[in-house]
Amino acid sequence: DAGVIQSPRHEVTEMGQEVTLRCKPISGHNSLFWYRQTMMRGLELLIYFNNNVPIDDSGMPEDRFSAKMPNASFSTLKIQPSEPRDSAVYFCASSFRVTPTDTQYFGPGTRLTVL
Amino acid sequence: KQEVTQIPAALSVPEGENLVLNCSFTDSAIYNLQWFRQDPGKGLTSLLLIQSSQREQTSGRLNASLDKSSGRSTLYIAASQPGDSATYLCAVRPHLVGKLIFGTGTRLQVFP
Repeated sequence: DAGVIQSPRHEVTEMGQEVTLRCKPISGHNSLFWYRQTMMRGLELLIYFNNNVPIDDSGMPEDRFSAKMPNASFSTLKIQPSEPRDSAVYFCASSFRVTPTDTQYFGPGTRLTVL
Repeated sequence: KQEVTQIPAALSVPEGENLVLNCSFTDSAIYNLQWFRQDPGKGLTSLLLIQSSQREQTSGRLNASLDKSSGRSTLYIAASQPGDSATYLCAVRPHLVGKLIFGTGTRLQVFP
């Protein structure tokens, strides 16, 4: 298996533009997680899905952020409009289930820079 | 509010040394604690998971201990190797359905 796939790996955009990050989880995994990592705040969970349904989106910073999972093999995280403070590395992770002991497998991340 | 702190923030050691990374958390009521490794430009890899009822877990040269009452965990790496160079993060799960709360990590460099 290729693991969790994220695209793009790097994104540079200007303030106000729409940004869409993409994630393909490991085949057969039922849970998907979106994280954001910054120097100031470390790694934070934004939202997670179980069986394509959003379960906890309390980490989504504000209405400019939205996430979807239209099917078991694809998810997007959208920022509209983007701001410089959104610059971070965004990770997608998947696990077989959402139980506390299930291992989460992380993708390589998307490094977002908003100018 | 649960806060997770890791000390030191960075560590540089010669190959072969045994070393200890520290993780502390403010609320001792946790469900479990995990240690992860992050290589530059890559995602996280889970190393060890300790349930709240356990005292330690071992995997190869890695040993993680948990002292819930004092809010501390340590990751012991025996006979360190250059390939161990990475950032190590600990994360606590406050309760059964709670999200992981991550520390800011310790950046380890092992030089030959």
